[in-house]
Amino acid sequence: NAGVTQTPKFQVLKTGQSMTLQCAQDMNHNSMYWYRQDPGMGLRLIYYSASEGTTDKGEVPNGYNVSRLNKREFSLRLESAAPSQTSVYFCASSEDPAGTYEQYFGPGTRLTVT
Amino acid sequence: GQQVMQIPQYQHVQEGEDFTTYCNSSTTLSNIQWYKQRPGGHPVFLIQLVKSGEVKKQKRLTFQFGEAKKNSSLHITATQTTDVGTYFCAGTAPPNDYKLSFGAGTTVTVRA
Repeated sequence: NAGVTQTPKFQVLKTGQSMTLQCAQDMNHNSMYWYRQDPGMGLRLIYYSASEGTTDKGEVPNGYNVSRLNKREFSLRLESAAPSQTSVYFCASSEDPAGTYEQYFGPGTRLTVT
Repeated sequence: GQQVMQIPQYQHVQEGEDFTTYCNSSTTLSNIQWYKQRPGGHPVFLIQLVKSGEVKKQKRLTFQFGEAKKNSSLHITATQTTDVGTYFCAGTAPPNDYKLSFGAGTTVTVRA
C-alpha cells in the first residue's frame, strides 16, 4: 500500500518547456488535489478533482492544466513553464471532497524553472 | 475570499519548554485541520476539529477550536527535538466546504 505517489521527484526546466507531473493513489479515494508550496506561503490549491471525471480550479490555476485519467491518477501539466512556477508541487487525495476528510499527501516534486 | 492566518511564522523553542501557535480566519469555519511537515517532507495529518469550543489532545499536543469557529490553537508541552517541523492549520468554510485553505505555517526549531 504505497499511498500517494508522485513522479518525478526533481525536475529542472527551461523557460517555455512543458512537462507533466504524475500522481497516483491506491487508497480508492474519490478526490484528488494539486498544491504548490512556496516559502512563507503555505500550500495553495491549484486544481482539484472532487470525483472521477470532474476537475475544478483552485486558488492559483493560471499556467496549469489537469487531467483526471481515472480514479487512481491525476496529472498536472505545465504547457509553457515560467520561472514563477518554480516551487514544490504536492498531490493529495481524500476519501471524499468534503473538507471533513483528512488529506493524504504525496512526497512532492521539486521543480526549478530557469 | 477565505483567508487563514497563522502566527508566529517562526518559533524557536528551548527543549523542554512549552509553546503555542495560533490560527485565525476571516470567516467562520466549518472545520479545521492541523498538519505537520518535517523538513524536506510532506504534510501529514494530525487532527481535525469540528465543534465550537472543541479541545482534543494527542500526548503532548493540545488542539483547540474557538467558540466562534474563527480561530484555533496548537499547544505543545515539554517540546522535544522530534517536534521540529512546520505546523499548518487548514480550514473549510461554506459554500466551499470541499476546499481546504491552508495557513502559511509555523516553523518550529528546537534548541537542545
